[in-house]
Amino acid sequence: GAVVSQHPSRVICKSGTSVKIECRSLDFQATTMFWYRQFPKQSLMLMATSNEGSKATYEQGVEKDKFLINHASLTLSTLTVTSAHPEDSSFYICSASGGAGGQETQYFGPGTRLLVL
Amino acid sequence: DQQVKQNSPSLSVQEGRISILNCDYTNSMFDYFLWYKKYPAEGPTFLISISSIKDKNEDGRFTVFLNKSAKHLSLHIVPSQPGDSAVYFCAAHTGTASKLTFGTGTRLQVTL
Repeated sequence: GAVVSQHPSRVICKSGTSVKIECRSLDFQATTMFWYRQFPKQSLMLMATSNEGSKATYEQGVEKDKFLINHASLTLSTLTVTSAHPEDSSFYICSASGGAGGQETQYFGPGTRLLVL
Repeated sequence: DQQVKQNSPSLSVQEGRISILNCDYTNSMFDYFLWYKKYPAEGPTFLISISSIKDKNEDGRFTVFLNKSAKHLSLHIVPSQPGDSAVYFCAAHTGTASKLTFGTGTRLQVTL
């Protein structure tokens, strides 16, 4: 199995509110999950690596206090965008390794479109 | 520093012909390479991968070739179909469950 889901698929919120995005591996256990962001016409940029039961590892330039990541179980990781602002509007995608392709292959969720007004 | 590069932002191929998408990398520590297909507003879909100990991997219409000495890999799609039209990303990593480094993508358009 290698199915990864994300919820919600789309969210619109007011500036200053917090938004939680869930990433689930549906048919396999994922010890490692990754969170990416994609701006229009650009490639995917890794934000952080999330390991079950431990603190996430953030990429340079990504504020850990703004993008809270919790990997509470082997099938669920959450990304919370705290005090969201319009510049946080983007397409957020998670991935998980450990599916049918083994630990070498990451399988991606369908993405979450965030629009902050 | 763009460690994975896809120098062709777009490619147009006729249906039935071969599509060849290219990717170059600079980090010699990369030992696993993957190709993903992506539609707008969707997550990438895994297509095919190759380990650095191999030079070719084939899966149906998709074949990936790796030239380690040139730090170059390519994805061949044959025959190309209209449903193949999408953005293709190559990606690489340096170890099991490690982070992926993506290329900038190539938009493939398969015309009738």
